[in-house]
Amino acid sequence: EVQLVESGGGLVQPGGSLRLSCAASGFTFSSYEMNWVRQAPGKGLEWVSYISSSGSTIYYADSVKGRFTISRDNAKNSLYLQMNSLRAEDTAVYYCARDPRCDYWGQGTLVTVSS
Amino acid sequence: EIVMTQSPATLSVSPGERATLSCRASQSVSSNLAWYQQKPGQAPRLLIYGASTRATGIPARFSGSGSGTEFTLTISSLQSEDFAVYYCQQYNNWPRLTFGGGTKVEIK
Repeated sequence: EVQLVESGGGLVQPGGSLRLSCAASGFTFSSYEMNWVRQAPGKGLEWVSYISSSGSTIYYADSVKGRFTISRDNAKNSLYLQMNSLRAEDTAVYYCARDPRCDYWGQGTLVTVSS
Repeated sequence: EIVMTQSPATLSVSPGERATLSCRASQSVSSNLAWYQQKPGQAPRLLIYGASTRATGIPARFSGSGSGTEFTLTISSLQSEDFAVYYCQQYNNWPRLTFGGGTKVEIK
């Protein structure tokens, strides 16, 4: 069974940092492209970042470029999102999702940016 | 950026009735379109990809159609568990995915 489990969310002050993790199981993680997608409270879905299966190709949404860093460790079946210089508008549930079609999603982890 | 526009924002339907949801792309996305269902407090679930292919385990009452810029998700006979928010997403311009604003299907 494919499983994606996010962790690392929490309350952080504006300007602060957090590192999200996504633990994958039930499939060959190293063969799949991965994404981070977020959803602000009561809002729709917003793509945040993409990483290729090898980690060699990376893209970011303009809203997070220069502040967020996506990475992966295929030996540990894990995906990461380092978030720096956080702003109030980054407050959202962050999901990891497999493949450009986002065929599997984790349960999400809530990031709240507030003083 | 490809903008995805969904209509209507809210659809009121009685159980057993048919629901038709629309999604329009600002430029052609070929058939690289997916539909998701999201219930409160849950992650989105993939229903349809390739505009018309049901994902694993999705009931046959869900069907997708369209190509280019106009797409439709049809739920042939609404069940109680189908009341949710539905999103379309294009992956033609991957990896820069874009989602529609969602259609909430509510009980009439």
